[in-house]
Amino acid sequence: KQEVTQIPAALSVPEGENLVLNCSFTDSAIYNLQWFRQDPGKGLTSLLLIQSSQREQTSGRLNASLDKSSGRSTLYIAASQPGDSATYLCAPHGDTDKLIFGTGTRLQVFP
Amino acid sequence: EAQVTQNPRYLITVTGKKLTVTCSQNMNHEYMSWYRQDPGLGLRQIYYSMNVEVTDKGDVPEGYKVSRKEKRNFPLILESPSPNQTSLYFCASSLSTPGWQPQHFGDGTRLSIL
Repeated sequence: KQEVTQIPAALSVPEGENLVLNCSFTDSAIYNLQWFRQDPGKGLTSLLLIQSSQREQTSGRLNASLDKSSGRSTLYIAASQPGDSATYLCAPHGDTDKLIFGTGTRLQVFP
Repeated sequence: EAQVTQNPRYLITVTGKKLTVTCSQNMNHEYMSWYRQDPGLGLRQIYYSMNVEVTDKGDVPEGYKVSRKEKRNFPLILESPSPNQTSLYFCASSLSTPGWQPQHFGDGTRLSIL
């Protein structure tokens, strides 16, 4: 059974820092992995979808990397801003019709 | 605007009183799903549907029912709610199996069962 761990569980940083959020999964037989953002009181927003054949995927200040063999994905946030404050979740997709979600990293960026 | 709409957003009710949470999407998506989110447990899938009239159990289906009579709608039914179903519920949809396509989420329904 796939288990997903996200470290750290919470992070508080000053504006402008470059950040690294980590996602580990136990079953490396995945097809792809999604990173989501969740704002308080809101649903999830898909940020990046990275295929198993890719090593990286970029969108603006966000960059996700995937190392399937080691069961790890990393989300880099460059030049963080207060508007980046949210909970970030990763969700690998394997040989099922569903995503398995981690419990997330709660990020706070203060001015 | 492309969106997933859930109603109600908040509901406080009592044990045993049947309730339905509606979910509608306007993106012509085939795949729809219900999740519950609880502190420390993350998002867990309740039921999902690959297409009209096709539904399957997720990880925590006990106490819930769903139906998919139209492509756009996927209601979640609690026939006899109990306090352990107090949670934050999300409906989501995607063009196909969610791993291959970005999944779109509603804003959530916070249910409190007394």
